[in-house]
Parts: sequence; structure tokens; C-alpha cells
Amino acid sequence: GQQVMQIPQYQHVQEGEDFTTYCNSSTTLSNIQWYKQRPGGHPVFLIQLVKSGEVKKQKRLTFQFGEAKKNSSLHITATQTTDVGTYFCAGHSAGGTSYGKLTFGQGTILTVHP
Amino acid sequence: DGGITQSPKYLFRKEGQNVTLSCEQNLNHDAMYWYRQDPGQGLRLIYYSQIVNDFQKGDIAEGYSVSREKKESFPLTVTSAQKNPTAFYLCASSSNPTGDLAYEQYFGPGTRLTVT
Repeated sequence: GQQVMQIPQYQHVQEGEDFTTYCNSSTTLSNIQWYKQRPGGHPVFLIQLVKSGEVKKQKRLTFQFGEAKKNSSLHITATQTTDVGTYFCAGHSAGGTSYGKLTFGQGTILTVHP
Repeated sequence: DGGITQSPKYLFRKEGQNVTLSCEQNLNHDAMYWYRQDPGQGLRLIYYSQIVNDFQKGDIAEGYSVSREKKESFPLTVTSAQKNPTAFYLCASSSNPTGDLAYEQYFGPGTRLTVT
């Protein structure tokens, strides 16, 4: 079945440093979503990427979708303590038995030291 | 207020007992999902439903059962057959995909189940 791998599992940074998490799918995706889960909370949707090579920005966050639609990345510039949490990618494949399902990566836990 | 509610927030059960987790949404979403979250393993899909009176197994359905009798409700039963039931359970809902486009999932606050 479809697998989505995410690295690194943990990332510790000093406030002000940059952070990147990477997501790799075993199959071609029709789209990919990113979620953030604060400690003790539930996942909250950040963004969806659909087009090959797509790049989207939200303030200090930059999201990319690979040309082959099998990988994605989230980059945070100049981290702040409010960025703390677990970041998940989730891939969706249109058609077949996976239609309607999101397959989540394992998540990257980000801690930011002030 | 629109949203998803899960109850209770914390649940304690003895081994061998079935337990049902509640999930209700008033977002008028057709699709609903149940995930299990364990440390270091992300979210794993248990069951999902794209329409009332229909549901499909996810990746880890063994030891769980669901029903979808109403659009708003998607309860999950953790049966005694589930070998490691202690976990954080998250319910989510969304609109159904259209073509290549999937819609964002809205998550409830979760239920932390402890079985001893």
C-alpha cells in the first residue's frame, strides 16, 4: 500500500534558526496536505499543494511539491517559540482503492529553544 | 459554533471490555475518519466513511468497529480483540474529494483511552 515517509523525526533548533521537514511518498500523489499539531492538541490544516512543482508561502512558512508529485517539503524561516509542535504531511492519491484516504507521514517534532 | 466534538477527553477501561468513542460533527461533511495516534508513529487510519450507511476499513481496522447511521455521527467501538488499545484517538471530517482535489480534514480534540 501507499507509504509516506517523513524526516527528520525530531528537530531541535535555537530560536531564529531555520527548519525544514521532508516528505517522500512511495507512489505518485494527486495532492499533499500539511498539518500542525501543537503539544496536547489536535492536527490543524496548514495548506494543500496540488500542482507539480508548486510552491506556496504563508508568512515564514514555505511549502513545496516536487515535480514528480512524490515528495514535498516545509521550510520555516527564523523559527519562533510559537512554531513548536509536530508537523505532518499527508498524501492523497486519486482513484483506486485509496480514493478519499489521506496517508500521513510519521511527523516531525519541532522544539525551539529561546 | 461549527466543529467536531469527541467525548470523553479521557477514558479508562479494564482489559476485556468493549468501549465506544463518540464523534459528532455539525459541519455538514459527508466524510468522516477515525485515526489512532501513538508516539512516533503519526496518524494511522482505522476506518473511514464517505457516505451515510457505508464505511471502509483503513490500515489498522482489526479490533475496531464503526457505524454511520447519521451524517453527523461516526462512533468507534474498541473491542476486546484489539491487542493494544491504549492510544490517542482522533476523529476527523471533510468534504469528499472531487477529482484530484482532496479537502482539508477537520479534527476533533481527541479521546485518550487507557486500558489496564
